[in-house]
Amino acid sequence: EAQVTQNPRYLITVTGKKLTVTCSQNMNHEYMSWYRQDPGLGLRQIYYSMNVEVTDKGDVPEGYKVSRKEKRNFPLILESPSPNQTSLYFCASSLGPQGNQPQHFGDGTRLSIL
Amino acid sequence: AQKVTQAQTEISVVEKEDVTLDCVYETRDTTYYLFWYKQPPSGELVFLIRRNSFDEQNEISGRYSWNFQKSTSSFNFTITASQVVDSAVYFCALSEDSSYKLIFGSGTRLLVRP
Repeated sequence: EAQVTQNPRYLITVTGKKLTVTCSQNMNHEYMSWYRQDPGLGLRQIYYSMNVEVTDKGDVPEGYKVSRKEKRNFPLILESPSPNQTSLYFCASSLGPQGNQPQHFGDGTRLSIL
Repeated sequence: AQKVTQAQTEISVVEKEDVTLDCVYETRDTTYYLFWYKQPPSGELVFLIRRNSFDEQNEISGRYSWNFQKSTSSFNFTITASQVVDSAVYFCALSEDSSYKLIFGSGTRLLVRP
């Protein structure tokens, strides 16, 4: 089954404790991205990757890192999480970056930073 | 600049009523794509429709229909004979052909009461 898998689905942690949210897709997609969802703001792109070892900032990259060492994986790293990073996070993948390629979303990861 | 506006923050209807969710977008590109996603209480994003800028035909899928009007930069979504299971947050999104991201509106929360 074609899917985008995020882990963990839920996490409560404390300020400053490094965490990684994993994202894996099994569709051999080149393009992957991370979004965060906040009330009243919809989803905003954090980072995206056009292929292995090719990443770039989205609209809200501050406080986040990503890596793309393998095509299927695109982890989101919070080196020193802060309470303003409490949010619902989505990973997405598609064949290409253009809008005519449907994006497949993971089920979301709800992070609470205390 | 690209922008998506969903002016209706929350809508409450009684089951079997028809309801229209509004979406207004801004873009300078001539080639772009518009989307609707549903987010049920469980939190995942469910893809509903994708429309490109060259196809202004309205679309109907069961109880769902979409009205795309380039003249008013709108892509409205109508649910006919609403059901309780339609209760969710609905997002409209835009992707320009030259872009690497989806721009989401802030979402409309729909509550369908029995």
